[in-house]
Amino acid sequence: GAVVSQHPSRVICKSGTSVKIECRSLDFQATTMFWYRQFPKQSLMLMATSNEGSKATYEQGVEKDKFLINHASLTLSTLTVTSAHPEDSSFYICSCGAGDQPQHFGDGTRLSIL
Amino acid sequence: GNSVTQMEGPVTLSEEAFLTINCTYTATGYPSLFWYVQYPGEGLQLLLKATKADDKGSNKGFEATYRKETTSFHLEKGSVQVSDSAVYFCALNIFNNNDMRFGAGTRLTVKP
Repeated sequence: GAVVSQHPSRVICKSGTSVKIECRSLDFQATTMFWYRQFPKQSLMLMATSNEGSKATYEQGVEKDKFLINHASLTLSTLTVTSAHPEDSSFYICSCGAGDQPQHFGDGTRLSIL
Repeated sequence: GNSVTQMEGPVTLSEEAFLTINCTYTATGYPSLFWYVQYPGEGLQLLLKATKADDKGSNKGFEATYRKETTSFHLEKGSVQVSDSAVYFCALNIFNNNDMRFGAGTRLTVKP
């Protein structure tokens, strides 16, 4: 069964809306979670590393104020796309892992901003 | 920096054909290497992995060997099936950095 649950799977909303995406680890405690973004026909790109109880570490070029990440517990991390615009339309996916173990991925969230 | 370069797709094969998807990497340190598969409408799934040089990962008839001398981790399967149609991602993970770097993905279509 799934070890990482990501919700919602699809969001369609108007420009200017803020959208929250949840990522839950179901069978283990995830001290670190990762958020990726995938543009059409492109690879997943790491956006930020989310550490439980501390601030997220953002990759270069990712706006911290635009993509708010909260990792309040060992089983939940959230990504909020604030005041979303059409250029934010993309596929967002979270993952959890430790060390060199393979990561478990959520099923992703397809965000469409009209 | 750490990166993965993957053969561009799409790749279209007939059933029972031989498959190779090339993957090379650049890394500081000693990465673990992975192949992930994404079936239509689903999330990424781990297909196989190798954690050190000369290791061979294998699963579901797919194989890939960690070649440090050529910094490669090519994916192979001797006889593909229609059900293998998917997007395949090569990836690396540096232990101390604990994040994944993915290739662009290769879409494979297998025709009956």
